[in-house]
Amino acid sequence: TAGITQAPTSQILAAGRSMTLRCTQDMRHNAMYWYRQDLGLGLRLIHYSNTAGTTGKGEVPDGYSVSRANTDDFPLTLASAVPSQTSVYFCASSRGTSESNEQFFGPGTRLTVL
Amino acid sequence: GNSVTQMEGPVTLSEEAFLTINCTYTATGYPSLFWYVQYPGEGLQLLLKATKADDKGSNKGFEATYRKETTSFHLEKGSVQVSDSAVYFCAPRYSSASKIIFGSGTRLSIRP
Repeated sequence: TAGITQAPTSQILAAGRSMTLRCTQDMRHNAMYWYRQDLGLGLRLIHYSNTAGTTGKGEVPDGYSVSRANTDDFPLTLASAVPSQTSVYFCASSRGTSESNEQFFGPGTRLTVL
Repeated sequence: GNSVTQMEGPVTLSEEAFLTINCTYTATGYPSLFWYVQYPGEGLQLLLKATKADDKGSNKGFEATYRKETTSFHLEKGSVQVSDSAVYFCAPRYSSASKIIFGSGTRLSIRP
């Protein structure tokens, strides 16, 4: 199985432009997450979804929006990109929200905003 | 709020050396505890986990024991290899929140 796929692999974006990062999982997991990873800061949660049709804000949600229309897809949208959004973005999923559920990660999208 | 503290890197060791990466977490409730590993250019993947006190998680020669009395989950390996070079993240997950909390990561480099 593919697990989690993300697209694109990398992107250079002009400031002020919008962009959607795609994430798809084939494990029928209920919960999905978006993180950004910056050098020296580890992973920070942007948005999450505990189940299809619901979303919630994480630690750093400003400038990002998400939707969860179905179980498999969890796109992340930057409405008007700024240079501080340059980062590596990881999508993740877990079977549920129980504390024992591990998270599975996609390969990441490297975004550069100029 | 809940938090996790792990050893700052980078850590550089020679091949076959003993490894310890310290991790302590906030003692709020009884979280499940995870170690994730990130190899260069890849996403994170689960290395091992423990879901209750005194449990020992193990995988690929790595071990970590859930120590409730010291609120710790230190990662150990008896003899590291060059292929273990990666970034390691300690991550507790509390029942009070649906999200895992990730430590800042420890970069490990192994010299041949």
